[in-house]
Parts: sequence; structure tokens; C-alpha cells
Amino acid sequence: QKEVEQNSGPLSVPEGAIASLNCTYSDRGSQSFFWYRQYSGKSPELIMFIYSNGDKEDGRFTAQLNKASQYVSLLIRDSQPSDSATYLCALKGTPLVFGKGTRLSVIA
Amino acid sequence: GAGVSQTPSNKVTEKGKYVELRCDPISGHTALYWYRQSLGQGPEFLIYFQGTGAADDSGLPNDRFFAVRPEGSVSTLKIQRTERGDSAVYLCASSLTVGRGLLGPDTQYFGPGTRLTVL
Repeated sequence: QKEVEQNSGPLSVPEGAIASLNCTYSDRGSQSFFWYRQYSGKSPELIMFIYSNGDKEDGRFTAQLNKASQYVSLLIRDSQPSDSATYLCALKGTPLVFGKGTRLSVIA
Repeated sequence: GAGVSQTPSNKVTEKGKYVELRCDPISGHTALYWYRQSLGQGPEFLIYFQGTGAADDSGLPNDRFFAVRPEGSVSTLKIQRTERGDSAVYLCASSLTVGRGLLGPDTQYFGPGTRLTVL
């Protein structure tokens, strides 16, 4: 069974710092991953998609995928209080396989 | 355009009662998914439809749970004889198609969820 693991946190970072969120997965054949952001009481919102080894940048967000080590990470540069949310890593497929999510708190 | 909508947004019921949760997908999306999210957990898959048929219902926890999508658009998740352990947020998502391609038509978009509380 395919599994995705995340540290539930909370992860606290000061405003302006880099937040680093990590995710590991069990199936070596897994190809592609999503990062979703979920504000408290809201539904998941897609923020990043990665399928190649290496880095993918989009604004303040960088997703990193290392298939040899079976981990995916999300870096948020210049963290803002509005980034405070739970970040869900998901293995792309039908259906999606989610991790538990990491709660991020950005302190002003 | 309109996103995925779900009704009701909140449902409080008593143990043993029957409930129906409704999902209205994005217009034109052929695939529809139901997930359940408990507090502090990620969404867990329940069932998905491709058109009118249930393509995979392996996530339904037991036979008290059933879902339909009779006309290939709106779906209803039905829970019989509710138990306190059924309390969770039930999320619906839809995608244009189902596939294994890169980001594109099989991207899933989520609705706001229905918070079910069983007393």
C-alpha cells in the first residue's frame, strides 16, 4: 500500500524566514506529487506540482523531489503570517494519497 | 467559473440516523471523488466516479456507506445508521478526466466540504 508520511508539526518560523516542509513516501515507483495548502476550516488548495527530480520554483515556493531518497519537500521563502496553514503532500494518482499534513505557523 | 459545491456545509445528527451529503462538481468534469478528513489527518479516499459508475469504491469503510451519481454530474454520499466515529469533514473533488498524465485535465479541485457531527 502506498503511503505518504509527514511530520504533523507544528512548525513555527519567524516572519521572513524560510519554512521547510518535508514528506517521505513508501513506493519507489511513485512519479509525481502535489503540495496542497489547507487553511483551518477550509478545503485543500493546490499550490505546487512536481514530477521530475530536482527543484521547481514558483514565486516564493520551491518544491524539491528526490526519487532516490524518496522524499519531497516544499520551501517557502520570506514566510508571511498568511502562510500559516496545514500543508499536505499528496502522491498523484487516482485517487490522491495524502500525508497527514504539517501545520505551519509563521510568527510576526 | 463556479467551483465544486457541497451541501450542507454542516450537518449534526444523532447516532443511528441516516444522512445524505451532496456534491455538485465543476461543470463538464467527468470524474468525481469523495474523501473523508478527520481532525489532524489528511484526506482519506472513499470512492470515485468516472461518469455515472463507481470506478473504485475500495475506500468505503463498510456497507453503511454508499454513493451515487445517477446522471454523471451531482453525487450523493449516503450514510446509514451513523456512528460517532463517522464524524469528520467529507470532501468532494472533481477533475476533467481521469488519467496518469502530467498536471492537466486530471487535476482534482476540492469543494468546501461538509462537516458531519454525529452525537
